[in-house]
Amino acid sequence: DVVMTQSPLSLPVTLGQPASISCRSSQSLVYSDGNIYLNWFQQRPGQSPRRLIYKVSNRDSGVPDRFSGSGSGTDFTLKINRVEAEDVGVYYCMQGTLWPWTFGQGTKVEIK
Amino acid sequence: EVQLVESGGGLVQPGGSLRLSCAVSGFTFSSYDMHWVRQAPGKGLECVSAISGDGGSTYYADSVKGRFTISRDNSKNTLYLQMGSLRVEDMAVYYCAREFPPGGCDYWGQGTLVTVSS
Repeated sequence: DVVMTQSPLSLPVTLGQPASISCRSSQSLVYSDGNIYLNWFQQRPGQSPRRLIYKVSNRDSGVPDRFSGSGSGTDFTLKINRVEAEDVGVYYCMQGTLWPWTFGQGTKVEIK
Repeated sequence: EVQLVESGGGLVQPGGSLRLSCAVSGFTFSSYDMHWVRQAPGKGLECVSAISGDGGSTYYADSVKGRFTISRDNSKNTLYLQMGSLRVEDMAVYYCAREFPPGGCDYWGQGTLVTVSS
């Protein structure tokens, strides 16, 4: 199985400041069609996961533009431009290139 | 409006069985592959099973292969997960999710809790 490794696992941030989460895969996520199926999810306390980003850098509908995704091959990053109080939660990367799809361990974002 | 509503969770003894359902609305169900994803209490997310839109292809994580069966009834807009030989480690909130675009899930249900305990 593809192992997804996130860092850091805990991320205290100051309101209005940027935040960045790294995700590394144990093998290339480039599919045979040339796409990279790397997703980012946000899970607020007590809620279902919500996808923010698909195929590395595409924002889902309704996702604020302060969220951005980047990366290639095996190294990916989720950036929050200016953290707001509603961004508190756990963030997961997930690869959908190879079955079984696998998630990172999660990064808990909290306000300092 | 897209909606996915899971049901069927509950308390079951180790070795027992349970069938989860996920009723969907707001989209053409048969056009989408569907997934079950679980989350053990206080833990991360695990993709358990997936099924193609026509039901012809199914996928399982090794942790549930041979014990769980995914299926769907496109005439009833409902996804199922038949779980057997349940273990304590199967205890989790089970979410159903729609795959779109390929390689990721855009809509998720609210989840249903499965508790495995004697």
